[in-house]
Amino acid sequence: DSGVTQTPKHLITATGQRVTLRCSPRSGDLSVYWYQQSLDQGLQFLIQYYNGEERAKGNILERFSAQQFPDLHSELNLSSLELGDSALYFCASSPQGAETTGELFFGEGSRLTVL
Amino acid sequence: GQSLEQPSEVTAVEGAIVQINCTYQTSGFYGLSWYQQHDGGAPTFLSYNALDGLEETGRFSSFLSRSDSYGYLLLQELQMKDSASYFCAVRALSGNTGKLIFGQGTTLQVKP
Repeated sequence: DSGVTQTPKHLITATGQRVTLRCSPRSGDLSVYWYQQSLDQGLQFLIQYYNGEERAKGNILERFSAQQFPDLHSELNLSSLELGDSALYFCASSPQGAETTGELFFGEGSRLTVL
Repeated sequence: GQSLEQPSEVTAVEGAIVQINCTYQTSGFYGLSWYQQHDGGAPTFLSYNALDGLEETGRFSSFLSRSDSYGYLLLQELQMKDSASYFCAVRALSGNTGKLIFGQGTTLQVKP
């Protein structure tokens, strides 16, 4: 158990809909990262937040948005869903001072299926 | 931009040694990390190299050559439970922090 909690674990929805994925980082970790993993693919970096502020952005679609709240939990919002958005969405956290290391703690992921 | 290349699949037998290579291109570089992921589970951190050389952690070792933009993960005394996907990742400069970019992963199959 990494200490990173993601909900929901599984989500099935239809095209055109909107969903929100939630992540609670490890206690004390200020950074939250979101990654998308499609079937048999690598981990695509979406976005990073640090203590409530956006720090880095990857190839995140305009239909996707995220935020980190004062209690440090984060939400990833996916709208106008398409079949290709079906994937595992991982949240990860890292503590302050680990910004230059490669150690992230990953949650178990949210598996999104768009029908 | 950043790119990483690693083999898509590697097969080895139990008890053997296997090396998974990773080459990278990135603007700005902090270090190279390795992660293990079992079938759709959470990726777990294995090692991190910021300086040239070999880092050993039990049966796993990781090597980095910054001048060659190259690294590898060495797994010794392979066990069946080592069957998993292995990802290299680079910490690349992004503003005042570094985002972690992953390769496409190498699927390791350990056979009896």
